[in-house]
Amino acid sequence: ELKVEQNPLFLSMQEGKNYTIYCNYSTTSDRLYWYRQDPGKSLESLFVLLSNGAVKQEGRLMASLDTKARLSTLHITAAVHDLSATYFCAVLPKLQGGSEKLVFGKGMKLTVNP
Amino acid sequence: GAVVSQHPSRVICKSGTSVKIECRSLDFQATTMFWYRQFPKQSLMLMATSNEGSKATYEQGVEKDKFLINHASLTLSTLTVTSAHPEDSSFYICSAIVAGGSQETQYFGPGTRLLVL
Repeated sequence: ELKVEQNPLFLSMQEGKNYTIYCNYSTTSDRLYWYRQDPGKSLESLFVLLSNGAVKQEGRLMASLDTKARLSTLHITAAVHDLSATYFCAVLPKLQGGSEKLVFGKGMKLTVNP
Repeated sequence: GAVVSQHPSRVICKSGTSVKIECRSLDFQATTMFWYRQFPKQSLMLMATSNEGSKATYEQGVEKDKFLINHASLTLSTLTVTSAHPEDSSFYICSAIVAGGSQETQYFGPGTRLLVL
């Protein structure tokens, strides 16, 4: 059974600071997703990482994937209050039959303080 | 990007009644849709995979007779919570994969918040 673990689960940081959050998964996969969720809202897709060594950046967020280590990181640069949200990583396991069932981590609640 | 809608966005019902939630892909066809449930401050849990023209595949622990899923067309899947009880109160989110696409991305609907009194 695929397990996806996020670390940390809660993060409070000051504006302007940098931080890296982690997503580990337990079985083979080459597709990892990062989503943002604001309170009371659905998921907003941030990044899709499809191969080992993939790195994608959007604004103050940069995501990377190391399939050998089964690890993805989401780096926050010079945080601003608008980044406050819950961030989920999700992994698509390699299964026979091409199943598309995403497995989500527990999510990391980020609070950026002025 | 592809747009998925859900209706209603919010519903309050009495215990014992049934509630139908619609999930529509607005600008694409979706052979596969997924239904998730999210309890407060928790992650998304997959309930079932809905395939157009066939029976849904339910995850372990999800009662198929309680959560009825119908995927009658390439743009619509419905989830009916039958005889709802307070413990069914949750945020229900659907997602869809573009038919014939690379299946790299699931597009998520805005969610339906169900409160059972």
